[in-house]
Amino acid sequence: SQKIEQNSEALNIQEGKTATLTCNYTNYSPAYLQWYRQDPGRGPVFLLLIRENEKEKRKERLKVTFDTTLKQSLFHITASQPADSATYLCAFRDNYGQNFVFGPGTRLSVLP
Amino acid sequence: DSGVTQTPKHLITATGQRVTLRCSPRSGDLSVYWYQQSLDQGLQFLIQYYNGEERAKGNILERFSAQQFPDLHSELNLSSLELGDSALYFCASSVGFQGGEEQFFGPGTRLTVL
Repeated sequence: SQKIEQNSEALNIQEGKTATLTCNYTNYSPAYLQWYRQDPGRGPVFLLLIRENEKEKRKERLKVTFDTTLKQSLFHITASQPADSATYLCAFRDNYGQNFVFGPGTRLSVLP
Repeated sequence: DSGVTQTPKHLITATGQRVTLRCSPRSGDLSVYWYQQSLDQGLQFLIQYYNGEERAKGNILERFSAQQFPDLHSELNLSSLELGDSALYFCASSVGFQGGEEQFFGPGTRLTVL
């Protein structure tokens, strides 16, 4: 069956450290993968997109990798700050069914 | 502010009723997407319209329907409401329809079915 999973429901890290979030999928073959940030009660906000032919993408303190062999994307926030505390969602379009699929999210808490 | 507007912000209604949620996309965006987010299901894709035509269909129940009008605003109609339909409903928009584009999400409509 098709699945999209994110490594943990919640992740607590200390301010200044690097947060690493994982997105794994099964029985999908996405051409790209997106990461969104969602704050409580608000709509998701787009952060980064990485395509299947790209290994790594960076934007300021954010870095995302995409390994189509492992069927996994890693999302890193370096020098994390309390303001980075939010839920982070991975997402992609299912090439076959054309559905947009979102992961369950990882709730990140950056502790001062 | 994403530029996507949704009305109403909150809606409380009873089982068996019918409601309409409204979405106006960002200026220049031709695609509109509808999502349902409940605590136990996460963000679920319902349906996508591009320039007035249905483009992709997700896990949308037969009791639900949507359309996109010539001015590109969209409406999601939910009928024969059940308790389990209580959720946050998000609309998003993007420039194109391929799926690789950034989606801009609205603030959502919180639906409570009593």
